Amino acid sequence: AQKITQTQPGMFVQEKEAVTLDCTYDTSDPSYGLFWYKQPSSGEMIFLIYQGSYDQQNATEGRYSLNFQKARKSANLVISASQLGDSAMYFCAMREPNWRNNAGNMLTFGGGTRLMVKP
Amino acid sequence: EAQVTQNPRYLITVTGKKLTVTCSQNMNHEYMSWYRQDPGLGLRQIYYSMNVEVTDKGDVPEGYKVSRKEKRNFPLILESPSPNQTSLYFCASSLGGGGETQYFGPGTRLLVL
Repeated sequence: AQKITQTQPGMFVQEKEAVTLDCTYDTSDPSYGLFWYKQPSSGEMIFLIYQGSYDQQNATEGRYSLNFQKARKSANLVISASQLGDSAMYFCAMREPNWRNNAGNMLTFGGGTRLMVKP
Repeated sequence: EAQVTQNPRYLITVTGKKLTVTCSQNMNHEYMSWYRQDPGLGLRQIYYSMNVEVTDKGDVPEGYKVSRKEKRNFPLILESPSPNQTSLYFCASSLGGGGETQYFGPGTRLLVL
């Protein structure tokens, strides 16, 4: 089963409007973390926001917020007031502990959503 | 400047010719990781390392080796590259393996003929 699912391969949004990018995850571990990254056409990976499984409040970073619904295992990214520079690929990722040894945590990425902002 | 560097940035090689992609970070991070990115598949973790001499397999380790002899370096080794290893490779590092931000290198685009 997919651990991270992003069901929207591509999306359009009008400039200045808000947009929600979906992410659902699958884990049986109570301790995990969820990340969103942005990858513009230049190729670099840019960290946007992080949500820990025990965090009581939804994470926010400027125009980015994470709509964390633990029971539904979803971690949607909300971008408010879209800008042309927001056009990029967006990846949701999950960190889980690796109990096989003490080498740390594994990070699993979803397939990504390409967001295109229309002027 | 805090950064993760990878070399080379672009590489074309032939099947079976051993190659190494270097990764170095100057932030004294403990956690380092390698990913490959393929269209439609997102990023998949190849190997990661929590500290010197501590490494573990990610989701797609077959055909790759890593070593972590020093904290700052985490080279990715392809002993006998094959065309299915043609991909975009990213190295990343973070202070720990928890919720800390992972800093990504600029990527290495590899073509195996």
